[in-house]
Amino acid sequence: DVKVTQSSRYLVKRTGEKVFLECVQDMDHENMFWYRQDPGLGLRLIYFSYDVKMKEKGDIPEGYSVSREKKERFSLILESASTNQTSMYLCASSLSRANGYTFGSGTRLTVV
Amino acid sequence: AQSVTQLDSQVPVFEEAPVELRCNYSSSVSVYLFWYVQYPNQGLQLLLKYLSGSTLVESINGFEAEFNKSQTSFHLRKPSVHISDTAEYFCAVSGGNQGGKLIFGQGTELSVKP
Repeated sequence: DVKVTQSSRYLVKRTGEKVFLECVQDMDHENMFWYRQDPGLGLRLIYFSYDVKMKEKGDIPEGYSVSREKKERFSLILESASTNQTSMYLCASSLSRANGYTFGSGTRLTVV
Repeated sequence: AQSVTQLDSQVPVFEEAPVELRCNYSSSVSVYLFWYVQYPNQGLQLLLKYLSGSTLVESINGFEAEFNKSQTSFHLRKPSVHISDTAEYFCAVSGGNQGGKLIFGQGTELSVKP
């Protein structure tokens, strides 16, 4: 069964900390995405990547960066966590536009 | 730019009643359309998709959605819901100028009551 694995289900971090959210897929997909999900706002795209070492900004990249050193791994980095980054973070991968996404289970991050 | 609007944020229904979750989109190019379901404390799962051909698409658990190009809609329906259908449902669109990216609606919370 194909999978997208997010390393943590729940995280609690302090304001100002550097936070790493890891995502690994085993489907050899070229396309990977990071979204955050907030009540009433749906899913908002933070960053995405179409290839190794390639990244593009989504709709809300401020305060975030990403790393894709290997095809299967796409990391989201919060440079200096703030309370307004408390959210559910969802990673997804995609083979093609027609296939849609496969999602990970999500990481619920709380910044205190 | 493309956008997706889910017209209802919450839909409460009784078990075995029919339900319709509404989704409208805007796009200047041809699109692919998707419905995803999210059960509590889980990620999103693909429910069904429209790529081309027949405008009526079905899922394995009794949901169906109809692509209506003239009304730019892709409403999700089920003739008889179960308690286990309680979840949040997201409509999404992928257009040619967006590459593989999906644009999601705000979500509709379906609550099925006994």
